[in-house]
Amino acid sequence: DAGITQSPRYKITETGRQVTLMCHQTWSHSYMFWYRQDLGHGLRLIYYSAAADITDKGEVPDGYVVSRSKTENFPLTLESATRSQTSVYFCASTSTSGVAGANVLTFGAGSRLTVL
Amino acid sequence: KNEVEQSPQNLTAQEGEFITINCSYSVGISALHWLQQHPGGGIVSLFMLSSGKKKHGRLIATINIQEKHSSLHITASHPRDSAVYICAAPVEDNNDMRFGAGTRLTVKP
Repeated sequence: DAGITQSPRYKITETGRQVTLMCHQTWSHSYMFWYRQDLGHGLRLIYYSAAADITDKGEVPDGYVVSRSKTENFPLTLESATRSQTSVYFCASTSTSGVAGANVLTFGAGSRLTVL
Repeated sequence: KNEVEQSPQNLTAQEGEFITINCSYSVGISALHWLQQHPGGGIVSLFMLSSGKKKHGRLIATINIQEKHSSLHITASHPRDSAVYICAAPVEDNNDMRFGAGTRLTVKP
C-alpha cells in the first residue's frame, strides 16, 4: 500500500521494557520524523532523519533511539520505557526537495503507547 | 512564552458560520503549516504557505510574514469540519518545527 504506515497502532508495555515503533513510507521521501503528542503540548520532535544513515536529535530525544538503514524505514526504540513516555507517537515524511519547513509533511496514523 | 501560539483553544460554532483561527509565531520565517487532526487522531496537512493567501475549497489561509501571524478561515462551516486545527512553524536552519497546541473546533448542526 502506498503511503506512510506505523505499527503497532496501540501498545501497552511495562516500565523498563524495550519497545520499538515502526514507520514505513513508500514515497522514497528523504526526510522522516518522529513526533510525540501529549495533552497540553503541541507535537514535539523527537528525532529526524535527512537520509539513510543520517539522523539527528529534535526537541525531546532523551530515552529514545532511532536508526535508518533503509530510506523507507525509520524505527523508533524506547530502550527502557518510562511512564513519562506514555504518549501518541506520529511518524512523518517529506520530499527530498528541501528542508521540512518548505515542504508539506505527510503523517502516519499514529501509535498510541501506554507505559504502565 | 510558547514559540507558536494559537487562539482560541476551543471554538464552538453553528453550521454555516464563518470561522477564524489565529496563529502567532516567534520562530522561523520560511513558511507556516496548517494541519487538521481528525477526531480519530489522523493528521493531514491543509496548507503550507510562505506569503499571501491560499484557498482550498472552503478553507482559506493567510499569512503576514512581517507580523509573524497567520489565520485559517473556514467559510460556511459544516459539522464535518469539527477537528483540531494545528499551526506549525519551521525552526530556521534545521529540520525542526514548533507546533501550536491546537484549536479544537466543534461545528454543531
